[in-house]
Amino acid sequence: GAVVSQHPSRVICKSGTSVKIECRSLDFQATTMFWYRQFPKQSLMLMATSNEGSKATYEQGVEKDKFLINHASLTLSTLTVTSAHPEDSSFYICSANPPRGTTAYNEQFFGPGTRLTVL
Amino acid sequence: GQNIDQPTEMTATEGAIVQINCTYQTSGFNGLFWYQQHAGEAPTFLSYNVLDGLEEKGRFSSFLSRSKGYSYLLLKELQMKDSASYLCAVRGIKAAGNKLTFGGGTRVLVKP
Repeated sequence: GAVVSQHPSRVICKSGTSVKIECRSLDFQATTMFWYRQFPKQSLMLMATSNEGSKATYEQGVEKDKFLINHASLTLSTLTVTSAHPEDSSFYICSANPPRGTTAYNEQFFGPGTRLTVL
Repeated sequence: GQNIDQPTEMTATEGAIVQINCTYQTSGFNGLFWYQQHAGEAPTFLSYNVLDGLEEKGRFSSFLSRSKGYSYLLLKELQMKDSASYLCAVRGIKAAGNKLTFGGGTRVLVKP
């Protein structure tokens, strides 16, 4: 199946710093990637849809100036948490769809996730 | 908007069968997915239904009734490793970006 990677897998930072998380589709091109956040014992909440070559689409209640998304190429999307605070501590997961016309189009493949802890 | 409901927790015995129900009310429908998620890990794909009926894949089966806004995931011959959270997710229409909206997840505990 298609592979999506994330880096880093775990990050601990001080309050007020910025953290960048990378999401890569390793063996397919993804014009669209999705960023989710998951708090302990809760389900995945979609934060934004990352579109290659254009601005990301943010879900209601997600601050676009705080969570900066850049989809610079067909295989890479980045999420930057700016001026992170302890309440931003969470599990951040990205996902991507293989292109239409491929057998795996109907699946959304998830990266392994990044656990962010803000002290 | 999307509203997806599934039970919070279920407990079953090793070797038994468990059925996890999912009901949804959505403004657009373009498929229903089931994912398995172990603690601290990303979700892994289990099944996809877009037409009514049953999809069987080994020990796991998924059913969909679009008219009732209802799906279930059936886990047979339960194994200890099946202890995990199971997430029901509905995909919106293409015009809405093919986004997935997840239910709250059902934590399944398999006991010996």
